[in-house]
Amino acid sequence: SAVISQKPSRDICQRGTSLTIQCQVDSQVTMMFWYRQQPGQSLTLIATANQGSEATYESGFVIDKFPISRPNLTFSTLTVSNMSPEDSSIYLCSGDRFYNEQFFGPGTRLTVL
Amino acid sequence: GENVEQHPSTLSVQEGDSAVIKCTYSDSASNYFPWYKQELGKRPQLIIDIRSNVGEKKDQRIAVTLNKTAKHFSLHITETQPEDSAVYFCAASRGTSYDKVIFGPGTSLSVIP
Repeated sequence: SAVISQKPSRDICQRGTSLTIQCQVDSQVTMMFWYRQQPGQSLTLIATANQGSEATYESGFVIDKFPISRPNLTFSTLTVSNMSPEDSSIYLCSGDRFYNEQFFGPGTRLTVL
Repeated sequence: GENVEQHPSTLSVQEGDSAVIKCTYSDSASNYFPWYKQELGKRPQLIIDIRSNVGEKKDQRIAVTLNKTAKHFSLHITETQPEDSAVYFCAASRGTSYDKVIFGPGTSLSVIP
């Protein structure tokens, strides 16, 4: 079965800086998705990334804050820009395996000081 | 947009007993309903899913039922074991590779030995 990896696994960042999270799949997937998960909470969809087109953002998330790239069918990046402590969370990417069956990366635990 | 509700938020059962988690959804066009298990500090893992062309699906000790008319679906775990302890998320989607998956708030299941 397909495997997703994420880098970094965790990071501690200063307020006002940016962090880019990488998501690599070992096989081609049609869509990739980025989620945020606060401790003890559910998964909140940030955006959907399709190769060759601009990402589609959910309500409350904007491209200037969370720019996303999807250069090919196995890779995507999410940047968290101009970070504040409220951005501290776990960020997860997922890929679509077959008709919406999503499998997840291990997550990136971000702490903003 | 789609809204998924889930009950109960926490559930404790004795080892060997059954556990039932119930979800409702709002989008009548949804036709794919996955269930994810997330152990502490781990990524969500797909454990079972059901599409709207069937009313029930079973895989060993877990089963899912779907009532499209009432827009609700349930997860049933029989003969629970301590390793079933985790957070379980239901989700709903329109079911193609391009559709987003919306997650419920989660149920924390504790199986007491």
